[in-house]
Amino acid sequence: GAGVSQSPSNKVTEKGKDVELRCDPISGHTALYWYRQRLGQGLEFLIYFQGNSAPDKSGLPSDRFSAERTGESVSTLTIQRTQQEDSAVYLCASSARWAGNEQYFGPGTRLTVT
Amino acid sequence: AQKVTQAQTEISVVEKEDVTLDCVYETRDTTYYLFWYKQPPSGELVFLIRRNSFDEQNEISGRYSWNFQKSTSSFNFTITASQVVDSAVYFCALRPIIQGAQKLVFGQGTRLTINP
Repeated sequence: GAGVSQSPSNKVTEKGKDVELRCDPISGHTALYWYRQRLGQGLEFLIYFQGNSAPDKSGLPSDRFSAERTGESVSTLTIQRTQQEDSAVYLCASSARWAGNEQYFGPGTRLTVT
Repeated sequence: AQKVTQAQTEISVVEKEDVTLDCVYETRDTTYYLFWYKQPPSGELVFLIRRNSFDEQNEISGRYSWNFQKSTSSFNFTITASQVVDSAVYFCALRPIIQGAQKLVFGQGTRLTINP
């Protein structure tokens, strides 16, 4: 079956522009997560959705970052006024409702801010 | 607070050698999950294993085995008879088993290179 998909796969943008990154979770997965992976680093948690609400936004690095989810499906991560330090791979994951179920990751969006 | 440490940044071995990737974690939670993920050059993380903190039985899956030692807060991963296709970055991760706690805390990863 279809896994987690993300678009675009690559995005190059100029400093100061806004970007939107999209995630399509596995069908039926109620939980959705965004992580950021800087070059050569581990993954940093950004935000978690259960359904359409976000009980944990603790990882969003600044108010330039926001995310929403609609229809318990697609999620969009928006970065406003991008900065060079925002350059990273943004990974989305989804999991089934019950605690303990593993998170399945998408291929990521590589964001480069010039 | 939780923390996962993978002290080995890079490991390089010759094919068919056995290799162990270390993972040490810190948590104040009494119950938690531990995970290993593989990130091949394509970039997509692949789930390998999840262990509960109350189950310290070691696990073997083909050439892969995991050694969970609660007394030393370690969850090491061994690949026996390594193959070139095992080359990837491997991440260890932790998540407490409490309501509302869903995020994974990742280590920095170990880049494993298997040379032919």
